[in-house]
Amino acid sequence: KAGVTQTPRYLIKTRGQQVTLSCSPISGHRSVSWYQQTPGQGLQFLFEYFSETQRNKGNFPGRFSGRQFSNSRSEMNVSTLELGDSALYLCASTDSGQQFFGPGTRLTVL
Amino acid sequence: DQQVKQNSPSLSVQEGRISILNCDYTNSMFDYFLWYKKYPAEGPTFLISISSIKDKNEDGRFTVFLNKSAKHLSLHIVPSQPGDSAVYFCAASEGDSNYQLIWGAGTKLIIKP
Repeated sequence: KAGVTQTPRYLIKTRGQQVTLSCSPISGHRSVSWYQQTPGQGLQFLFEYFSETQRNKGNFPGRFSGRQFSNSRSEMNVSTLELGDSALYLCASTDSGQQFFGPGTRLTVL
Repeated sequence: DQQVKQNSPSLSVQEGRISILNCDYTNSMFDYFLWYKKYPAEGPTFLISISSIKDKNEDGRFTVFLNKSAKHLSLHIVPSQPGDSAVYFCAASEGDSNYQLIWGAGTKLIIKP
């Protein structure tokens, strides 16, 4: 099976812009979680989607949103970008309690 | 307020010796713990896990120890190999069906030849 794919791999935006990141889970996996990784902070949980419904949400402002489509692909959107949003955004699909991660999207906000 | 802490940002170990990575947690409701390994430009990959009903879990060269009273877990790698050089993350959750893992900041392990 193909692994979790994320596009784009790298992105540069400026403050105030918005961005959409995409994640395709492993075929057959219905749960997709998103994380933000910044140096020294580990992975911070953003939200989790299951069957097109947001099932869990972390402590991030409303500028961070997501959705999941009927084919389980998920998108994450960040509006009104701030410098502090520069990070690696990881997506994981879950099966039997184990998470499988994609390579991440490196977002740089200038 | 970090609920899962990895206090060593990096660790350097000689090839063939034992690597010990440590993780502390504050939430007594955590009952499932995982270790992930991450290479540059790749996402984390699952390494080993332990439930709070156990105090040790072993998988080949990797052993995880859990001390519930001290709220401490450790990952032992014996013997350490060059390919083990990576960032290791400790993560915890309340119940193994909860996908909202709480992660430590990671420890970069460097294996010296």
